[in-house]
Amino acid sequence: EVQLEEYGGGLVQPGRSLRLSCAASGFTPVDYAMHWVRQAPGKGLEWVSSISWNGGSIEYADSVKGRFTVSRDNAKNSLSLQMNSLTREDTALYFCVRGNSRTWYHVLDFWGRGTLVTVSS
Amino acid sequence: QAVLTQPGSVSASPGASARLTCTLRSDINVGSYRIYWYRQKPGSRPHFVLKYNLDSEIERGPGVPGRFAASKDASANAGILLISGLQSEDEADYYCMIWQYSAVVFGGGTKLTVL
Repeated sequence: EVQLEEYGGGLVQPGRSLRLSCAASGFTPVDYAMHWVRQAPGKGLEWVSSISWNGGSIEYADSVKGRFTVSRDNAKNSLSLQMNSLTREDTALYFCVRGNSRTWYHVLDFWGRGTLVTVSS
Repeated sequence: QAVLTQPGSVSASPGASARLTCTLRSDINVGSYRIYWYRQKPGSRPHFVLKYNLDSEIERGPGVPGRFAASKDASANAGILLISGLQSEDEADYYCMIWQYSAVVFGGGTKLTVL
């Protein structure tokens, strides 16, 4: 059974940092790209970042470029998102998502339940 | 102007059909994009519904019934999700998505109410 479990969310002050992690199980990570997608309270889905199967290709949304860093450790079946210089606009539920191929142009076929990040003073 | 525009809400009766649109910005041609559709029920994670390929082939997600279909309207530059035989369980937010260059783009979502 495919499982994606996000953790690391919480309350953080503006300007501070937070690191999200995603534990994957039930599939072989090297066969899949991975993504982070967020959803602000009461709002729609917003793509944040993508990383190819081996980390060789990485993309970011303009809204987080230069502040967020995505990484993966296939040996540990894990995905991470380092978030720096957080602003209130980063408040959202962050989903870890599997893509159904190694690089791009694929279905985002399995989503975790998300971890909530709240940026507030 | 947003890359993908969806109406905020659509309502239809049980047993009827619903047509959800996803309009691409005028400078990008719907004929060049695969359109992906996702469904999200309140308090739940999104789930993949279907993919509409360039050759008009439809790939449905696991367990998605055939009453979920898709098409394109070239004159409107839009992708369309068609849900027939509406059931109360179809009530959800529906998001369209494309890959643009190497980035994922979501539409703003449509709340489908079955009443």
